[in-house]
Amino acid sequence: IAGITQAPTSQILAAGRRMTLRCTQDMRHNAMYWYRQDLGLGLRLIHYSNTAGTTGKGEVPDGYSVSRANTDDFPLTLASAVPSQTSVYFCASSPQAGNTEAFFGQGTRLTVV
Amino acid sequence: EDQVTQSPEALRLQEGESSSLNCSYTVSGLRGLFWYRQDPGKGPEFLFTLYSAGEEKEKERLKATLTKKESFLHITAPKPEDSATYLCAVQAQSGGYQKVTFGTGTKLQVIP
Repeated sequence: IAGITQAPTSQILAAGRRMTLRCTQDMRHNAMYWYRQDLGLGLRLIHYSNTAGTTGKGEVPDGYSVSRANTDDFPLTLASAVPSQTSVYFCASSPQAGNTEAFFGQGTRLTVV
Repeated sequence: EDQVTQSPEALRLQEGESSSLNCSYTVSGLRGLFWYRQDPGKGPEFLFTLYSAGEEKEKERLKATLTKKESFLHITAPKPEDSATYLCAVQAQSGGYQKVTFGTGTKLQVIP
């Protein structure tokens, strides 16, 4: 693999269920990010990690959690999904914190019903 | 609050018809302005970073310019493969390195 891989590509999820979106990068980037993209709104940052072992809250963190146990993986968990979390989710990474040149995954389209 | 407004929302060009996309921004101290390209069903692809007014960067048929209030993405003699949504984003000096505000994009369609 080269770049960022997200899984699954798409998912339909019942409200109230727990779901983890996976993100793996092979570029040894220090910083990683999770965004959601909704129609009519720009990409919005959910959570970020400047380096392995650290995480931070972005603009819309409620209902989501992340972990960064190592450099390559940055999973996003929805503890109890709600319909308003229906969105396209993008994982991204950059060599260092600062996001000056971010590389994005192909996205996960999540529908909560 | 940082704001990014892109115009037009959509633009349809004939192949070879040059034009510009606009990104107006309001930010409390600009650290950097980014342009990305996004194809349908895919993640954004990085194009340029601009740091200060007067700066210009070019890549093939694209040239990005920056003033203190806006950025333009000039497309010279576009081809159908340039069809995509172009996103602009700004990074403020305050709020941490991760604070990047995205616009909603301009959807460009180039007709053969």
